[in-house]
Amino acid sequence: AQKITQTQPGMFVQEKEAVTLDCTYDTSDQSYGLFWYKQPSSGEMIFLIYQGSYDEQNATEGRYSLNFQKARKSANLVISASQLGDSAMYFCAMREGRGEFYFGSGTKLNVKP
Amino acid sequence: DVKVTQSSRYLVKRTGEKVFLECVQDMDHENMFWYRQDPGLGLRLIYFSYDVKMKEKGDIPEGYSVSREKKERFSLILESASTNQTSMYLCASSSLRWGGVNTEAFFGQGTRLTVV
Repeated sequence: AQKITQTQPGMFVQEKEAVTLDCTYDTSDQSYGLFWYKQPSSGEMIFLIYQGSYDEQNATEGRYSLNFQKARKSANLVISASQLGDSAMYFCAMREGRGEFYFGSGTKLNVKP
Repeated sequence: DVKVTQSSRYLVKRTGEKVFLECVQDMDHENMFWYRQDPGLGLRLIYFSYDVKMKEKGDIPEGYSVSREKKERFSLILESASTNQTSMYLCASSSLRWGGVNTEAFFGQGTRLTVV
């Protein structure tokens, strides 16, 4: 079974609008971490935000927030006030107790001016 | 500034060759990982190492092996390269402080391998 599922291969958003990128995960571990990464066309992997399985508050980092719904096993990334520089691939990842990271297939976000 | 360095940015090899991809990190991380990235498939874990000389298979280990003789270095070996191993290869490292899962992975710049 897929550990991380991202069902949106591509998305468009208008500049200055908010956008939600979906991510669901599958684990039987009680302790796990959820991460989002951005990969611009240059190819580097940029860490954006982290949410722990025991965290009760949704994580926020600047314009990024993580909508964590534990019972539904979802960890959606919300980008507020989109900018042209947000155009990139976005990957959701999960880290389980052994230490390895599992990534989804990614969502390509295009921000339109 | 933390660094994960992969030995080559681009590599072209012939079918059947033995290929070595090298990765070095300077953060004293226990965990190191090799992924391949293909369009529509995201990042798939090939192997990871949780300590020196320790390794675990990921989701797609067939056709690959790894070596970790020193903490800072993690090598991916393609025993006999094939055209279906043409891909982007990403190395990453992370710490696992106190057994926690809350530290992010740091990535190298990637190696685009073409097997002809």
